[in-house]
Amino acid sequence: LAKTTQPISMDSYEGQEVNITCSHNNIATNDYITWYQQFPSQGPRFIIQGYKTKVTNEVASLFIPADRKSSTLSLPRVSLSDTAVYYCLVAERGRRALTFGSGTRLQVQP
Amino acid sequence: DARVTQTPRHKVTEMGQEVTMRCQPILGHNTVFWYRQTMMQGLELLAYFRNRAPLDDSGMPKDRFSAEMPDATLATLKIQPSEPRDSAVYFCASGLVTLLEGGNYGYTFGSGTRLTVV
Repeated sequence: LAKTTQPISMDSYEGQEVNITCSHNNIATNDYITWYQQFPSQGPRFIIQGYKTKVTNEVASLFIPADRKSSTLSLPRVSLSDTAVYYCLVAERGRRALTFGSGTRLQVQP
Repeated sequence: DARVTQTPRHKVTEMGQEVTMRCQPILGHNTVFWYRQTMMQGLELLAYFRNRAPLDDSGMPKDRFSAEMPDATLATLKIQPSEPRDSAVYFCASGLVTLLEGGNYGYTFGSGTRLTVV
């Protein structure tokens, strides 16, 4: 199981772009990278997943370099409501359960 | 939007009592997970099921915890007897997993059951 490392916390201001980088040096060939968001008193919510290069959806973008040893979640123009914990996870193909780490606590200020 | 429904939302019980938490996965989802979250340990996987069959329950204390899926619309997590260290938020999640696709890890989590054992 690939271990992930991400910042414990980050601060930003409304309207800024936020990039959260996660390292996963021993990611396996068939593993996927996925990101979840969790607000207080709620369950985690799926944001985005990817295998390589770039993936974009209505919420975020995910950048994965060619060596796949890291990934960056990009949140464009954050608002106060984006204050949450963001988890980077490496999903082993074939093992569908996800192992959560400590996540990055993002605080967005006015 | 389809939701995973967990009941009860909150439960306070005395040490030694039996606790049963219920989860209604999203209709059509074939995989159900149980997680536990505490401040100290974060989110821990307890067990998961595919097509109602248990695939992995290695994260669960076997002597007091049990997880079942009596039917496709209900998953249960039972603790007997409960202990103060079981106090946590218990999350259920569901997803549709097929063997044909490369990877779909967009699971839907419920709002959790906050358990307090005194």
